[in-house]
Amino acid sequence: DTGVSQDPRHKITKRGQNVTFRCDPISEHNRLYWYRQTLGQGPEFLTYFQNEAQLEKSRLLSDRFSAERPKGSFSTLEIQRTEQGDSAMYLCASSLGLGATTNEKLFFGSGTQLSVL
Amino acid sequence: EDKVVQSPLSLVVHEGDTVTLNCSYEVTNFRSLLWYKQEKKAPTFLFMLTSSGIEKKSGRLSSILDKKELFSILNITATQTGDSAIYLCAPRGNNNDMRFGAGTRLTVKP
Repeated sequence: DTGVSQDPRHKITKRGQNVTFRCDPISEHNRLYWYRQTLGQGPEFLTYFQNEAQLEKSRLLSDRFSAERPKGSFSTLEIQRTEQGDSAMYLCASSLGLGATTNEKLFFGSGTQLSVL
Repeated sequence: EDKVVQSPLSLVVHEGDTVTLNCSYEVTNFRSLLWYKQEKKAPTFLFMLTSSGIEKKSGRLSSILDKKELFSILNITATQTGDSAIYLCAPRGNNNDMRFGAGTRLTVKP
């Protein structure tokens, strides 16, 4: 499968624990995005990378959220000291990254469903 | 603040019906609007619209944009049960994110 892959598909954790999700974008894609989606809502933008550079992180929900893309390929999203309100689907998307971001289509992974007990 | 409103929020139809889904938006420095279909997990791309009045078509699906009135519609003709999904619209401004609407949940009954 050469699409965007995310791991794990499901994560159940206890409040206060740290969790880390991984995203592997389509191999030739330079741009990588993280979104969060809660029930009944559309995906909500969190952060964005161009290669290894994190170009937008002001929309991360709190300082408990951080993301990395150390070699410009896969990315990780970490949530520290999880809270019940963090329960959601975390989606990763990638795009080719040849021109302006505003005229690109994003390809999404199947997401990681997080449940915080 | 940027806003995206999709209507209706949910819709139930029978196979063969035609549906029209609406997306109205207020986005600073509008650049493009994308439609996605979300069946279970991953939203899949349908259309990207950048110019007013030019209809994009793909099989039974079509979409058009009106940049003056700030809306887009997605039409699906001769609906099938496989069209059941959440349809998301996402206008893009001059920044790096896409602001998605809450989506329209379409259910097509046999």
